[in-house]
Amino acid sequence: VQLQESGPGLVKPSQTLSLTCTVSGDSISNSEYYWSWIRQHPGKGLEWIGYIHSSGHSYYNPSLKSRVITSADTSKNQFSLRLSSVTAADTAVYYCAGEAWPYYFDYWGHGTLVTVSS
Amino acid sequence: QSALTQPPSASGSPGQSVTISCTGTSSDIGGYNYVSWYQQHPGKAPKLIIYEVIKRPSGVPDRFSASKSGSTASLTVSGLQAEDEADYYCSSYAGSNNLRVFGGGTKLTVL
Repeated sequence: VQLQESGPGLVKPSQTLSLTCTVSGDSISNSEYYWSWIRQHPGKGLEWIGYIHSSGHSYYNPSLKSRVITSADTSKNQFSLRLSSVTAADTAVYYCAGEAWPYYFDYWGHGTLVTVSS
Repeated sequence: QSALTQPPSASGSPGQSVTISCTGTSSDIGGYNYVSWYQQHPGKAPKLIIYEVIKRPSGVPDRFSASKSGSTASLTVSGLQAEDEADYYCSSYAGSNNLRVFGGGTKLTVL
């Protein structure tokens, strides 16, 4: 199973960060996985953003919940992240990942650096 | 500030053993047997090396072992090899908000 993030590497402050993760080797309709987003600030640890499940259910980190939306396109086997009203504090490497039961991240994308700057 | 606390660094000589701790609370590590560990080489994505506290995915050498006591989880790397030099992150389910939390990471240096 391979995951690949795509999207702009530069986003202006106050705008919306949009990323897509393309999954190959498995279907995002696979109910065994929670398709997740995780980020890593430069030189820092990992932060869980949230997930979308094949059931359509999403759940987000409360610290980001007001700004995050995830969605899925089963026809393209992709899932997406939108993070609104970004600031420099949102500059990070963003990973998409497949979370298996119970609560471990089995598959990871290579990560994509998103810089928030004017 | 990360939810789980890890030492920023650890080191050992080839062939030695090193243990990395990960301290949480009763709301995460102490409350669930859902601790996982990830190895991350520079510029690479994290790789799962331990799940459900003690289980190793296929392909992960048995030099990697883990345990949990109370609200502290530990990862032990035995027979250190140069390729083990990497950052290691712990993670736990934190059920009160359906959260997944991570440690700040430990940089393992093979001397």
